[in-house]
Amino acid sequence: GQNIDQPTEMTATEGAIVQINCTYQTSGFNGLFWYQQHAGEAPTFLSYNVLDGLEEKGRFSSFLSRSKGYSYLLLKELQMKDSASYLCAVRNTGGFKTIFGAGTRLFVKA
Amino acid sequence: DTEVTQTPKHLVMGMTNKKSLKCEQHMGHRAMYWYKQKAKKPPELMFVYSYEKLSINESVPSRFSPECPNSSLLNLHLHALQPEDSALYLCASSSFGVDEQYFGPGTRLTVT
Repeated sequence: GQNIDQPTEMTATEGAIVQINCTYQTSGFNGLFWYQQHAGEAPTFLSYNVLDGLEEKGRFSSFLSRSKGYSYLLLKELQMKDSASYLCAVRNTGGFKTIFGAGTRLFVKA
Repeated sequence: DTEVTQTPKHLVMGMTNKKSLKCEQHMGHRAMYWYKQKAKKPPELMFVYSYEKLSINESVPSRFSPECPNSSLLNLHLHALQPEDSALYLCASSSFGVDEQYFGPGTRLTVT
């Protein structure tokens, strides 16, 4: 079967660091994506990992361990505008099919 | 131009109506996708077109009919929908299947 798990909700303080975890079990693996989605809007691409390790992109970093079926998204220097849902998504080996996790709703408070 | 556009933004239709959703991208992407998203749920893949050919149909009911007239356009034809089909319909494109997807703003569909 295919399963992607993320925490449902997280709360963090402006200026802090937050880590959003994602574990997955999928039939085949060809990359893991993180997307940000504000309420009522479309998802926007944040990061992509296909090899183990850390990818850094400004305030956002994403880590992947394929052997553990585990990824995390790290957000630094949190801003109020970072309040959104964060979707972990795994692409199957075939290439076109991407399975989305249910998303983690992040609330950033002052 | 990294934009995917969708029209209309909102659509209300009766169960006997026929309507179409449109999606357009000018990034030269050769893979285009339709997703359905219910409130507080993740996007669910419906269809994938690769080089204007349907490559994935996720067992979507026939009341949804996709069409890819050319490499920039993707349509979703709707007929005899049910109230449970009310959702946000997202179009996305990617350079190819292996790349990140760019999403359009979506069409919020209400079936009455």
